[in-house]
Amino acid sequence: AQKITQTQPGMFVQEKEAVTLDCTYDTSDPSYGLFWYKQPSSGEMIFLIYQGSYDQQNATEGRYSLNFQKARKSANLVISASQLGDSAMYFCAMRGRDTGRRALTFGSGTRLQVQP
Amino acid sequence: GAVVSQHPSRVICKSGTSVKIECRSLDFQATTMFWYRQFPKKSLMLMATSNEGSKATYEQGVEKDKFLINHASLTLSTLTVTSAHPEDSSFYICSAQRGGAGANVLTFGAGSRLTVL
Repeated sequence: AQKITQTQPGMFVQEKEAVTLDCTYDTSDPSYGLFWYKQPSSGEMIFLIYQGSYDQQNATEGRYSLNFQKARKSANLVISASQLGDSAMYFCAMRGRDTGRRALTFGSGTRLQVQP
Repeated sequence: GAVVSQHPSRVICKSGTSVKIECRSLDFQATTMFWYRQFPKKSLMLMATSNEGSKATYEQGVEKDKFLINHASLTLSTLTVTSAHPEDSSFYICSAQRGGAGANVLTFGAGSRLTVL
């Protein structure tokens, strides 16, 4: 079974500052992928960043970076230089690579509000 | 890039009627599609996994006779909510997985908000 835990229901950050959204996970899969998605109020799920469990380096995508600590089973999202448009729900998710079941398992989400 | 179209985006229906939601992959062939349900201010819960040409696999607790899923082609999966009741009101969102390279990332549709009166 896979489990994703996001312990921050809500976060505030000042515009132009960096913010870290926490995510821990648990899985019995030897190989897995970790994802972050953004969900604005419109409801669509926007893919932000992906980290494979065997990737040697932490993933980065523009202002997004993933602080992957495998031993701690954490995959925190770091957003640098926050913008007002970053205000949204953020979901951490994972899926196993080597199993037939390849659906994403989501955490409970963190609502980020960027303040001017 | 991969685009998934979901239709309708919003639907209001009377209790007892059936509603069909379509999920289309526009620029790739989706070997597998997933249907999720999301309650207000909650996370996405997987309902079922839909594979082209075979029966869908439903998650525990999801009524297969109420939520009919058909994956008739590599670009289309449909979710039909049969005999809808107010408690079926929710946000339904599909995601599609392309085959081969790039299969790590799932692409989501924009979601369908169902309101049953």
